Amino acid sequence: GENVEQHPSTLSVQEGDSAVIKCTYSDSASNYFPWYKQELGKRPQLIIDIRSNVGEKKDQRIAVTLNKTAKHFSLHITETQPEDSAVYFCAEGLYGNNRLAFGKGNQVVVIP
Amino acid sequence: DGGITQSPKYLFRKEGQNVTLSCEQNLNHDAMYWYRQDPGQGLRLIYYSQIVNDFQKGDIAEGYSVSREKKESFPLTVTSAQKNPTAFYLCASSMGTAAGGTQYFGPGTRLLVL
Repeated sequence: GENVEQHPSTLSVQEGDSAVIKCTYSDSASNYFPWYKQELGKRPQLIIDIRSNVGEKKDQRIAVTLNKTAKHFSLHITETQPEDSAVYFCAEGLYGNNRLAFGKGNQVVVIP
Repeated sequence: DGGITQSPKYLFRKEGQNVTLSCEQNLNHDAMYWYRQDPGQGLRLIYYSQIVNDFQKGDIAEGYSVSREKKESFPLTVTSAQKNPTAFYLCASSMGTAAGGTQYFGPGTRLLVL
């Protein structure tokens, strides 16, 4: 079955530093790994995703890396800003399958 | 995101009462989902529908029911059998199996028990 774990549960960083959040998954058949950002009281929004045929993907200050052998993937945020403060959810799924299994979320706090 | 709407924003339920949460999308998406969010629990799947007139149970379907009579609409009913309904409910939609797994969320409905 699908089981996604996120670490650490809470992460505090100084503004300008980098933040890294790691997710581990159990289903070796999974091949789609999105990251969602949820600000307080708002809806989750997709910020980046990766498919298993690549090892890394970047979008400005955000990057995701995937290690299929170890079954983990990580979100990297560089030059953090106060607006990066939010809860970040990772998920796993099969590309082309409708279901996603979400982790419990990481609270990221950027200290000005 | 603006293509998915949920109503109401806040909903109060009395003991023994059934309540229905609305979810509408104009994105022409085939698949729709309902999640429940509790503090520290992440997003848990209640029900999902891959196509009109079809739906499947998620991980926590007990005490809930859905219908999918129209492509645009996927209402969720919280029945009196759901003993702990207080939560933030999120609806989502995606294009379907042909196009990948990206899900787009509505703004959510917060359900409170009186």
